[in-house]
Amino acid sequence: GEDVEQSLFLSVREGDSSVINCTYTDSSSTYLYWYKQEPGAGLQLLTYIFSNMDMKQDQRLTVLLNKKDKHLSLRIADTQTGDSAIYFCANNYGQNFVFGPGTRLSVLP
Amino acid sequence: NAGVMQNPRHLVRRRGQEARLRCSPMKGHSHVYWYRQLPEEGLKFMVYLQKENIIDESGMPKERFSAEFPKEGPSILRIQQVVRGDSAAYFCASSSPGDYEQYFGPGTRLTVT
Repeated sequence: GEDVEQSLFLSVREGDSSVINCTYTDSSSTYLYWYKQEPGAGLQLLTYIFSNMDMKQDQRLTVLLNKKDKHLSLRIADTQTGDSAIYFCANNYGQNFVFGPGTRLSVLP
Repeated sequence: NAGVMQNPRHLVRRRGQEARLRCSPMKGHSHVYWYRQLPEEGLKFMVYLQKENIIDESGMPKERFSAEFPKEGPSILRIQQVVRGDSAAYFCASSSPGDYEQYFGPGTRLTVT
C-alpha cells in the first residue's frame, strides 16, 4: 500500500523560514495536500498541489513537488508563533487519503 | 454554511460499553470518510461511505467496528465492547462527488477507562 513519511519534529525561530518535508511512494496521486492541526482541533487544509505542477505559492506558503524523487515540501516564510502546530502531508490514493505521521513545528520567540 | 459537524466532541466509555460517534457532512456533500488518530500518530483511514453504501472499509478492524451513512441523518461510527486500545481521536471528513478536497470535522475524542 501507499506510504507517506515525514520527519516528526522541527524547531525554528520566529521570523525564520520553516521547511517541512514529505516523501511518498505512490506516483499515481492526482493531488498532494498539506493540512495543519492545532492542539485539540481538527485538520485544516492549508494548500494542495496538482500532481503535474512543480511549485505553488500562496502568500507565505510555497509548495514544491519533485515527482521524480516523490518528494513534497512546504515552506512557510516569516514563521510566526501562530504557525506552531502539526503539519500533515497527504496524497489521494484512489478516493482515499493517505496521511503522513505529521511534523510538529515549534516556533521559538 | 456550516462545516462538518461531529458529536460528541468528547466521549468517555468504560471497557465493554458501546461508543457511537456521529458525523454530519457539509451541506451538499454525499461522501463521508472516517479516520482514526492514535496519540502522537497521524491519521489512518478507516472507511469511506456514500449515502446508504459502504464503498471502502479496508481500514476498519474486522470485529466490533461498523459504520453507516443512512439516507437521512448523520453517519454513525459504532464501536462495540470498547477496549482501552480504542482510545483515540476519530475524525470525519466529507466531500462532494468528483471533489478531490476533503473537509474535516473537529473530531471526537474517545477515552476508554
